Amino acid sequence: NAGVMQNPRHLVRRRGQEARLRCSPVKGHSHVYWYRQLPEEGLKFMVYLQKENIIDESGMPKERFSAEFPKEGPSILRIQQVVRGDSAAYFCASDSSGGTEAFFGQGTRLTVV
Amino acid sequence: GENVEQHPSTLSVQEGDSAVIKCTYSDSASNYFPWYKQELGKGPQLIIDIRSNVGEKKDQRIAVTLNKTAKHFSLHITETQPEDSAVYFCAASGADSWGKLQFGAGTQVVVTP
Repeated sequence: NAGVMQNPRHLVRRRGQEARLRCSPVKGHSHVYWYRQLPEEGLKFMVYLQKENIIDESGMPKERFSAEFPKEGPSILRIQQVVRGDSAAYFCASDSSGGTEAFFGQGTRLTVV
Repeated sequence: GENVEQHPSTLSVQEGDSAVIKCTYSDSASNYFPWYKQELGKGPQLIIDIRSNVGEKKDQRIAVTLNKTAKHFSLHITETQPEDSAVYFCAASGADSWGKLQFGAGTQVVVTP
């Protein structure tokens, strides 16, 4: 019974490159949430997705960031033209309709050099 | 939107003593209040949660209290052990999605033998 799986665990990108972060939710979960954690800070909500739908993207930066959760396959958080300020840990969480808690993955630590 | 404040930012306790972390929230519509433990390099792990129809909940050495009138909730850890050392986050959300959480800034707890 695997939990939320995120990969890669660590990702290094040069400024201007693209970063793709993947999240496979708990089996049977249909809701995915992405959070960003800057060093020594709390987690900040970015986006809430259901299969093939973005439900709430109020925490997403307006430019360069996008997210999807296709019918098949993992959820993807995509950051285009990365800058040093994008360096952070990105966490994914999932829950199910009628569920009572969200489960977090181990995160992807993005470093922009 | 919701704003969650957490105090203290760091807490050092002797093994065997109790630790208390306090949080306040701003949105009276919030009705779900989880607490997460995060160890270095790992994702947040749910340790206990409380919903607005309950004033107190206990699970072994961990207890949480909620005062909806005052909009604050607290985590109590009794008989602390070195393995309790971690960063603890409080969070709040509404009933529309358990996974869309507003987190506090975190408390670094250090338990010294």
